[in-house]
Amino acid sequence: DTEVTQTPKHLVMGMTNKKSLKCEQHMGHRAMYWYKQKAKKPPELMFVYSYEKLSINESVPSRFSPECPNSSLLNLHLHALQPEDSALYLCASSQPGELIAKNIQYFGAGTRLSVL
Amino acid sequence: GNSVTQMEGPVTLSEEAFLTINCTYTATGYPSLFWYVQYPGEGLQLLLKATKADDKGSNKGFEATYRKETTSFHLEKGSVQVSDSAVYFCALRRSGGSNYKLTFGKGTLLTVNP
Repeated sequence: DTEVTQTPKHLVMGMTNKKSLKCEQHMGHRAMYWYKQKAKKPPELMFVYSYEKLSINESVPSRFSPECPNSSLLNLHLHALQPEDSALYLCASSQPGELIAKNIQYFGAGTRLSVL
Repeated sequence: GNSVTQMEGPVTLSEEAFLTINCTYTATGYPSLFWYVQYPGEGLQLLLKATKADDKGSNKGFEATYRKETTSFHLEKGSVQVSDSAVYFCALRRSGGSNYKLTFGKGTLLTVNP
């Protein structure tokens, strides 16, 4: 099973709303990622968690707040977003560390977010 | 820094045509190289990978060979199908250290007509 599950698939929110995106994997991976993908562009890395600790924050605005409550779950809390934050948000997971053969990122189908 | 350059397309082919999508990279050391595919409305799927020079990755009829001398990882398929219509991303991950970050090319949209 190489599945990464993201919910919801679609989300529409106003600029004053608070919402959360969820990501779940049961592959035993200990690294999890959030990416943002605008239309016709490649994914851009936002955050990386390794062993449930934030490892990388690519200078993401504080209106995006990640959380990794356990090794299988990853959340992205959204607050006071702007219309330009509308995008496809992708979650991925992998084994952490140096071993290239294992360190392959598996992606979920994404949450398509629209901010009005 | 690391970078990936791939032909941007769009590429439009007829079914059973030969496909090549060029990808070249800039990186220090020996990065790992990947091709990911994104079907309409979906996330990214790993298509194939190569971790060292002269490795050939292959999957679903697609192939790519890691060429260190030309810093290239071109994607090829001998006979494309309508179901291969998607966006293809070439990506690299540098070796060593905290090597979590994937560097993606801009993506190539492939459309295969019946």
